[in-house]
Order: sequence, then structure tokens, then C-alpha cells
Amino acid sequence: NAGVMQNPRHLVRRRGQEARLRCSPMKGHSHVYWYRQLPEEGLKFMVYLQKENIIDESGMPKERFSAEFPKEGPSILRIQQVVRGDSAAYFCASSAGTSQNYGYTFGSGTRLTVV
Amino acid sequence: GENVEQHPSTLSVQEGDSAVIKCTYSDSASNYFPWYKQELGKGPQLIIDIRSNVGEKKDQRIAVTLNKTAKHFSLHITETQPEDSAVYFCAASMGGGYQKVTFGTGTKLQVIP
Repeated sequence: NAGVMQNPRHLVRRRGQEARLRCSPMKGHSHVYWYRQLPEEGLKFMVYLQKENIIDESGMPKERFSAEFPKEGPSILRIQQVVRGDSAAYFCASSAGTSQNYGYTFGSGTRLTVV
Repeated sequence: GENVEQHPSTLSVQEGDSAVIKCTYSDSASNYFPWYKQELGKGPQLIIDIRSNVGEKKDQRIAVTLNKTAKHFSLHITETQPEDSAVYFCAASMGGGYQKVTFGTGTKLQVIP
């Protein structure tokens, strides 16, 4: 069981470029959550997805950010036209279900640096 | 929405001493309270959790307490060891059909050998 796999681990982008962050959930998990962690801060919820559906995107900025979780393949968090303020660690978590019997398992994160 | 506050932001203890981290939450509908440990360069890992129908839970050197009336919960680590040094996050969620978790701002714990 490989756990939640995120790649790349580190990503450097120039201002205005696009960043694509990938998350493969644990085997058997169909629920994916994306969180953003700014330096010295806690984790802020961005979006919750199930296969092919966005369930809750209330934490995601309306502009430039999008997420998907296709039927096949990993979940993708896309940030278009990145700005310096997008620099952060982005964590993905997955769970097997929505009840409290299913805890989150986090990946190791993608650290995005915008230069 | 839910708001979780966590104190202190940093905590230094001598090896062998106890460490206590406290959190408060705002929404009385929250009923699930996990604690996560994040080591440098890694993702958060669940270390213990408590549900609102339980007042206290213990797992070896780690214990959590919950006071629903006051809407606060705490993490207690006894006999601290250097490997306990990490950032600890409390969290709260309302569970039910959707498990959105709101995190506190974290406590950086340093255990001094």
C-alpha cells in the first residue's frame, strides 16, 4: 500500500506560468481533499472531490484555480497564471468514505515556489 | 463555518516532561476531533482522535480530552521524547455525510534532550 502519492514534491514556476499538482489517492479511496499550507500557518481547506465530481470547492479561489478527479488517473489541482502569493505547500488527503469511520490519509505534499 | 483556535503556537519542554496543547472550536455541531502530527518536510499524520460522545481517550503516552460544553479539547503527551518534536494540529469536523475538516494553526513542539 503506497499511501497517498503526490508529485512533484517540489515545483518552481515563474510568475504567469501554470502549475499542475497531481495526487493519487490510496488504493480503494474515492474521496480526495486538497489543502494549502502557507509558511508557519495551518492547513486551509480548498476543495473536496469524489470521482468525476466536485463536492465542495468553497475554499478555492474563484480565479485561476481548478481541480478535477477523473474516472481514471490522479486528481489534478491546476493553478493558472501563478503569482508569488501562490507559493505554499499543497497537501492532498484521501479517504474511503465520508463518515467519521474513515479518517484522512495525507500525502507528503507539493511545495510550490513562484519566482 | 467552523473556526478552530489552537494554543500555544510554540512549546518547548524538557525530555521526560509533559506537553499540553489546547484548542477551542466554534460550531457546536462539530462532533469529531482528530489530532495530526507533522514532521519537517512531511504531510500530517493522524495520531489520535476523539468523538463527541467520549470525554477522554488515551493511547500509550498520548491522551485527548474533550469538553463539549466549553467547546474545547486538549492533547496531552506524557514522558516526552526528542522524536515527539514536530508541529501538532488539532482539527474539528461535523461528520455526517460530508467530512470537511477545519484545522487549527498548529503548535510547534520542541523536546529538549
